[in-house]
Amino acid sequence: EPEVTQTPSHQVTQMGQEVILRCVPISNHLYFYWYRQILGQKVEFLVSFYNNEISEKSEIFDDQFSVERPDGSNFTLKIRSTKLEDSAMYFCASSEALASGTIYEQYFGPGTRLTVT
Amino acid sequence: AQSVTQLGSHVSVSEGALVLLRCNYSSSVPPYLFWYVQYPNQGLQLLLKYTSAATLVKGINGFEAEFKKSETSFHLTKPSAHMSDAAEYFCAVMPKTGTASKLTFGTGTRLQVTL
Repeated sequence: EPEVTQTPSHQVTQMGQEVILRCVPISNHLYFYWYRQILGQKVEFLVSFYNNEISEKSEIFDDQFSVERPDGSNFTLKIRSTKLEDSAMYFCASSEALASGTIYEQYFGPGTRLTVT
Repeated sequence: AQSVTQLGSHVSVSEGALVLLRCNYSSSVPPYLFWYVQYPNQGLQLLLKYTSAATLVKGINGFEAEFKKSETSFHLTKPSAHMSDAAEYFCAVMPKTGTASKLTFGTGTRLQVTL
């Protein structure tokens, strides 16, 4: 069964460093998402991406964050200058499409645990 | 803005007992509703979804949920708990209107199943 994969599973970085979290969505999917879950808190939406541009972003997704689909398979989340409060589990998700009146399941990856020290 | 509330951050049931995990939503228009499960060290897996067809939705692993508009609820149930059901369960909403396809999650309920 196709699945979303994420690398690395755990990333430790120092405050102020740049990190890139990588995701490989399911191959025929067209919509891509990043969510995060701070320890003990709810899963929060960060950004959605379609047709090589951001569809929607949350207030969390400020100028320190960026997303990119550098090739036909990868989808990345970059944090330019990490802060302690960026420590969280980051989930990538993908879905087939967003046709009007049709809801497609978002498939989630296993997550990358980011620890900022 | 849409939101979802899950009552009970921890629920403990005996093996074979009924599982009931509560979810209430807040939205001016009834949204799409989902239940996801997260096993330790894994991602989120869709259990079931409500997309305005039948109000009683059956999902994987014997779970089902009933959409009740009058109560703005979408509680998750399973008649008989199994040890393998121990996990974190998240209720989520997605708006029907507009272009947004993001999921808004509840805070989660950790289900413990005891012998």
